Amino acid sequence: DQQVKQNSPSLSVQEGRISILNCDYTNSMFDYFLWYKKYPAEGPTFLISISSIKDKNEDGRFTVFLNKSAKHLSLHIVPSQPGDSAVYFCAASARSGGYQKVTFGTGTKLQVIP
Amino acid sequence: DTEVTQTPKHLVMGMTNKKSLKCEQHMGHRAMYWYKQKAKKPPELMFVYSYEKLSINESVPSRFSPECPNSSLLNLHLHALQPEDSALYLCASSQDWQGSGKLFFGSGTQLSVL
Repeated sequence: DQQVKQNSPSLSVQEGRISILNCDYTNSMFDYFLWYKKYPAEGPTFLISISSIKDKNEDGRFTVFLNKSAKHLSLHIVPSQPGDSAVYFCAASARSGGYQKVTFGTGTKLQVIP
Repeated sequence: DTEVTQTPKHLVMGMTNKKSLKCEQHMGHRAMYWYKQKAKKPPELMFVYSYEKLSINESVPSRFSPECPNSSLLNLHLHALQPEDSALYLCASSQDWQGSGKLFFGSGTQLSVL
């Protein structure tokens, strides 16, 4: 049962344009949502997060939007840069047995074309 | 220092070998994790250590044996692995195991079992 889904395995965007990465989830108990970026041969790097009580969080070029009624979140990157080319994992966490368990999506590979 | 260091980066082992993966962090984090990631799949949680005690074992086969010698170090001892255990093994840490789920990952060990 995939509780966190990223339905687009890949996305190509021109440099300078907006990149929008989408994520859907099924578990209404998730209380934090996070985005991680992963370059080849490296571990995932935390990018940005949002609490379930908010609907938007912004950090520089990165903004995460949360629509709880639709169980959907998105990551906006504006403007996109070639260095943003990586695999982006959506993740969600919920308390489980006293532990904040993190569930990852399958990832979206973003290619920013110069 | 916001780094999680993993060694070795690559490991090839036979099914009868015994090897160990090592992980180190000096951020004062009290929770440390082992994840396994297969190609084109999300990271899957294996073990969680909280305050140097094993807190979560996600039904991992006994041929994987974790160890936390102190608050900065985490090992994963491997014995009698199967070819299907070939994967990227990621170590991660967080301030504690009850936070938002923000994890700091190492670069991983790419393991091949022959």
